[in-house]
Amino acid sequence: NAGVTQTPKFQVLKTGQSMTLQCAQDMNHEYMSWYRQDPGMGLRLIHYSVGAGITDQGEVPNGYNVSRSTTEDFPLRLLSAAPSQTSVYFCASSYRRTGSPNSPLHFGNGTRLTVT
Amino acid sequence: GQQLNQSPQSMFIQEGEDVSMNCTSSSIFNTWLWYKQDPGEGPVLLIALYKAGELTSNGRLTAQFGITRKDSFLNISASIPSDVGIYFCAGQRNTGNQFYFGTGTSLTVIP
Repeated sequence: NAGVTQTPKFQVLKTGQSMTLQCAQDMNHEYMSWYRQDPGMGLRLIHYSVGAGITDQGEVPNGYNVSRSTTEDFPLRLLSAAPSQTSVYFCASSYRRTGSPNSPLHFGNGTRLTVT
Repeated sequence: GQQLNQSPQSMFIQEGEDVSMNCTSSSIFNTWLWYKQDPGEGPVLLIALYKAGELTSNGRLTAQFGITRKDSFLNISASIPSDVGIYFCAGQRNTGNQFYFGTGTSLTVIP
């Protein structure tokens, strides 16, 4: 199993450009999520999905869109990049267990995004 | 949003020393997790705790789920250079899907 795979590893954008960060998992996890990591801020949830066709907002969703057309993939789209979106982005997935907490999150290795 | 207060923010210790860090919340959690992040990589799960009072070990690491369900502790015994990294706590309530993360403890081990 490859686990959670994120591409690209690094990206530099100009203000106003758009791009999609890719995330794929091969563990048949229903739950997938995107976090951003900034110095001193820990990991903040952007968007999450509990299954194909279902998405919801996290703590910091503004400026980002997501979709979940398959169980395996959960891309994150920046429609018009801003310098405030310079960050490290992590995709994470887990099993959902009805009536119980989810299994622990498995993380990808991150995408380092710089917006100039 | 939900805040997990993690302390200390950073630690500089000599190789061989023991390490303690903790995480507190204003809300009750039913799951506490501890992750380690190496530079340039994603967080990796160290220990998962599912029951108040639970004490779980993973090699030299021991974590406890606080009795009040509002805190958790991680101890590392006899630290070694490869323990260097950032340690995160995370909590999850029984309802909902969100995992809440602490701001991390940066550990430096001096050989």
